[in-house]
Amino acid sequence: GDSVTQMEGPVTLSEEAFLTINCTYTATGYPSLFWYVQYPGEGLQLLLKATKADDKGSNKGFEATYRKETTSFHLEKGSVQVSDSAVYFCALSPVGASGSRLTFGEGTQLTVNP
Amino acid sequence: KAGVTQTPRYLIKTRGQQVTLSCSPISGHRSVSWYQQTPGQGLQFLFEYFSETQRNKGNFPGRFSGRQFSNSRSEMNVSTLELGDSALYLCASREPGQGETQYFGPGTRLLVL
Repeated sequence: GDSVTQMEGPVTLSEEAFLTINCTYTATGYPSLFWYVQYPGEGLQLLLKATKADDKGSNKGFEATYRKETTSFHLEKGSVQVSDSAVYFCALSPVGASGSRLTFGEGTQLTVNP
Repeated sequence: KAGVTQTPRYLIKTRGQQVTLSCSPISGHRSVSWYQQTPGQGLQFLFEYFSETQRNKGNFPGRFSGRQFSNSRSEMNVSTLELGDSALYLCASREPGQGETQYFGPGTRLLVL
């Protein structure tokens, strides 16, 4: 079945540091890929998405590129802020199937210190 | 547009009781999905409803059920609660044909004592 693997956390960075959170997936066909972010006590917010190979999703300084050859969708940000502290989830959704269900990675806790 | 809303936000129940959670999707969205989030198992798909029909079901026991109404609002029910059902229950909505993106509500935090 489908699966998503994220790099183990937690990740602690200083403000303005470079961020990479690795995400790899296993799925048949060409799934859509997503990054969601969860702030304490809240639900999930869509951060960015990509629906086909070589697509780059971007939002709020975060970027991720859909790499079919390496089945990866790594999240990057050039300069993190304290306000980026949250849990980040990589997810996939199969395309072409009846209905839609997201398969999530384990989540990566990011803490950014001033 | 208003986002996905879930009620109640917090709930405390005891083992053996049943509980009903409610979700109102974004206006115009006809698909509603439910997910369970726990520290041990992470985020797991429960089921999806579209136009009042269950389209997809995750690997949960029959104690977990749901339904959708003609206005696309959805409820999920858990009967005979167990301690392990303590979790954050998240609802997400989408409109098929507008892409695969699901938009999540704030969740209902259920504590079973």
